[in-house]
Amino acid sequence: KQEVTQIPAALSVPEGENLVLNCSFTDSAIYNLQWFRQDPGKGLTSLLLIQSSQREQTSGRLNASLDKSSGRSTLYIAASQPGDSATYLCAVKGGAGSYQLTFGKGTKLSVIP
Amino acid sequence: DAGITQSPRHKVTETGTPVTLRCHQTENHRYMYWYRQDPGHGLRLIHYSYGVKDTDKGEVSDGYSVSRSKTEDFLLTLESATSSQTSVYFCAISESDTGDTQYFGPGTRLTVL
Repeated sequence: KQEVTQIPAALSVPEGENLVLNCSFTDSAIYNLQWFRQDPGKGLTSLLLIQSSQREQTSGRLNASLDKSSGRSTLYIAASQPGDSATYLCAVKGGAGSYQLTFGKGTKLSVIP
Repeated sequence: DAGITQSPRHKVTETGTPVTLRCHQTENHRYMYWYRQDPGHGLRLIHYSYGVKDTDKGEVSDGYSVSRSKTEDFLLTLESATSSQTSVYFCAISESDTGDTQYFGPGTRLTVL
């Protein structure tokens, strides 16, 4: 069974700081990895999708990397803002014989003004 | 945002009552999914559909059934609701099963008393 772990579970940083969120997965036979953002009481918003053949994806201040062989991904947020405060979820597609999306439990980010 | 709506958005019901949640999409995507989100467990797949009348079980399918009679609608039914099914339910869609982003609906908060 594919397992996804996100560390840390919660993170508090001052505004303007650059930060890294970590995601690890147990089976490297994945199709892709996706990072989502979830605001309290809301649905999930897709941030970045990295295919298994790619090493990274960028969107604005966000950069996600993928090291499939080591089962790791990082989400880098540059120049953090209070509006970045949310829970960030990592999800992998595939692994352990599954075609499905397996989620981590998320990192709750608070950016302090 | 992807055109996904869920109804109802909130529901309170009693143990033993049947409940049906609806997911409606305007994107004409082939794949549709139902997840539940619980504290400490993250998001888990209940059922998914890969076409009209084509469905399959996910990780936590016991106590749930689904139906898809039209491309745009995917119904989740709790035949006899239990307190353990109190959760937030999310619908998601994607164009393909392996390579594409999953887009999520706003969620339905279900409370079973």
